[in-house]
Formats: sequence, structure tokens, C-alpha cells
Amino acid sequence: EAGVAQSPRYKIIEKRQSVAFWCNPISGHATLYWYQQILGQGPKLLIQFQNNGVVDDSQLPKDRFSAERLKGVDSTLKIQPAKLEDSAVYLCASSPIMGITEAFFGQGTRLTVV
Amino acid sequence: GENVGLHLPTLSVQEGDNSIINCAYSNSASDYFIWYKQESGKGPQFIIDIRSNMDKRQGQRVTVLLNKTVKHLSLQIAATQPGDSAVYFCAENRANQAGTALIFGKGTTLSVSS
Repeated sequence: EAGVAQSPRYKIIEKRQSVAFWCNPISGHATLYWYQQILGQGPKLLIQFQNNGVVDDSQLPKDRFSAERLKGVDSTLKIQPAKLEDSAVYLCASSPIMGITEAFFGQGTRLTVV
Repeated sequence: GENVGLHLPTLSVQEGDNSIINCAYSNSASDYFIWYKQESGKGPQFIIDIRSNMDKRQGQRVTVLLNKTVKHLSLQIAATQPGDSAVYFCAENRANQAGTALIFGKGTTLSVSS
């Protein structure tokens, strides 16, 4: 079974530029998460989808971050404009059923904002 | 030997020793908990899970203990090996506005020396 795919693996941008990350979850998984992991910290939940609907985006900085999962499969996370403090690893995870089984993680996208 | 106590950011053990990693969670209503292992440059990897109707669950070389009275979770690794060196996170399935979300705690860096 293929795992969660994320791209790109690395990205370096200047502050105030825009960036987008892509995630392809495990086939059939209804729940999709985006996490931000700053160096030395645990993953912080940014947004959670159930199929193509947002179920929790309370921690998403909506003035600059946006995410979508239009067809209930792939998802993109966008930052516009980026700030220095956005430098982190952005992890995508998926789960077949919300809250009952573990979430499976991709390798993440390491973003460096300079 | 074993290291038991409150959450520690780092834990150093000798190969062959038993390791105990502790975690405190915040929400008494959380009903599902997971331990993840994260190696450098990779996403978190599932180790073991436990539901709130259980106090203990065993896997291969790992045991998770849940104390709901004090909201405490621990991961025991038997005969620790160099390949166990990583950052370990506990995660709780916490109720949110639309269901549940997987929330991570502080990590513990385990270093195993030969």
C-alpha cells in the first residue's frame, strides 16, 4: 500500500513570497491533516479535513494560510505571504476514520523562509 | 536501568537497557492515544496505541500504560537498541468543534549508546 505522498521535499523562499505544498493521502482515507512542525517541537495541527470539508481550522493563520481538498482526495496548503517564522516542516497525514485509528504521515516538506 | 518520572525532553540509555518515556495529556475526555516515533528527516511513525477503556497494551518490545486518574501516559521499550534512537511523541485524540483531532504532546529525544 502506498503511503502519504508530499511534495516538494524542500523549499526555500524569501519572505513575502508565496509557496504551495501538495499532499496525496493514502487511497480511501477520508480524514486528512496538515501539521506544522517547528524545529525542536511537536507537530501542531493547522487544519483537518473530512472528505472535502473542513472540520477544524482553528489553529490556521487564515490571514496568510489557506488549504483546500476540492475532490476529497489530494490537498494543497498555501502560504501567502510567507514570514520568517513560517520556517518549519509541514506534515500531511491521513486516516481512514477520524478519531478511531492512527494517522499515517508523509515525509513532510521542509520550508525555509529567508 | 530504567528512567521513570515526569516528562523529560531527553533520555539517554545504554543498549540493552529498558527505557520509559512519559507524557501528560490535558483533556480528560480524550479517548484514544498514540505513541509515534520520529527519526531525523522523516514523518512520525506509528508505534502503538491505546484506548481509554484500557490501562495497558503490549506490542513487540513496547508497552503503553495509561493512567486516566492523573492523565498520564508512558511508553516502555524493552531491551533498547541503537535503532530506537529518535524523538518520541504521544498524541491524544481530543474532541474539537466538529469531531476529534489528533493533538501532539512534547517530544522526548531518546539516545541509545552501544
